[in-house]
Amino acid sequence: GAVVSQHPSWVICKSGTSVKIECRSLDFQATTMFWYRQFPKQSLMLMATSNEGSKATYEQGVEKDKFLINHASLTLSTLTVTSAHPEDSSFYICSARAPHRYGYTFGSGTRLTVV
Amino acid sequence: DQQVKQNSPSLSVQEGRISILNCDYTNSMFDYFLWYKKYPAEGPTFLISISSIKDKNEDGRFTVFLNKSAKHLSLHIVPSQPGDSAVYFCASWASAGGTSYGKLTFGQGTILTVHP
Repeated sequence: GAVVSQHPSWVICKSGTSVKIECRSLDFQATTMFWYRQFPKQSLMLMATSNEGSKATYEQGVEKDKFLINHASLTLSTLTVTSAHPEDSSFYICSARAPHRYGYTFGSGTRLTVV
Repeated sequence: DQQVKQNSPSLSVQEGRISILNCDYTNSMFDYFLWYKKYPAEGPTFLISISSIKDKNEDGRFTVFLNKSAKHLSLHIVPSQPGDSAVYFCASWASAGGTSYGKLTFGQGTILTVHP
């Protein structure tokens, strides 16, 4: 149980275009989901907290207009990288915490490459 | 401000021996600690956790020790196997409130290599 599905697993896009990444909780409802970003050989950095039915909370230094988060249902959160640039190339991972569990379950991640 | 630190970027161990991965934290609000295993281009996989009311938690070959006074935790893997080779992240969160409430803060990770 407590499976988080993330799609796509990799995507290549041109500079200036937008890319949407989906994160779904398959067997539980998640009122809160988290979006992380990982640069090569670095730690996972929390970008934002996605709250179902309300605005996301962004960490300091994260541009909310560039990284649009929508959490329209209890099982789906999306991260849209708008007007992507090569410096946005990274590994993006979502996570959620299933009810009555202390551990966080992570999606498989999305490798974004902007060319 | 690195609230969770893993000071060893890498660790190399012989198969069958013990692997000890260390983690230090600075935020006294953290009361729940987790270890994750991660392969390149994949999401982290939960391994084991411990709450601040305990000082040890064991699950098969994995044991996590917590020293609250030193703000230090460690993951012991015994016996180590080649399949354990991966990046290991410790992570912490605060269940009681504060700015870290509900948010996982990760260490930098330690690359474990287990040689046959």
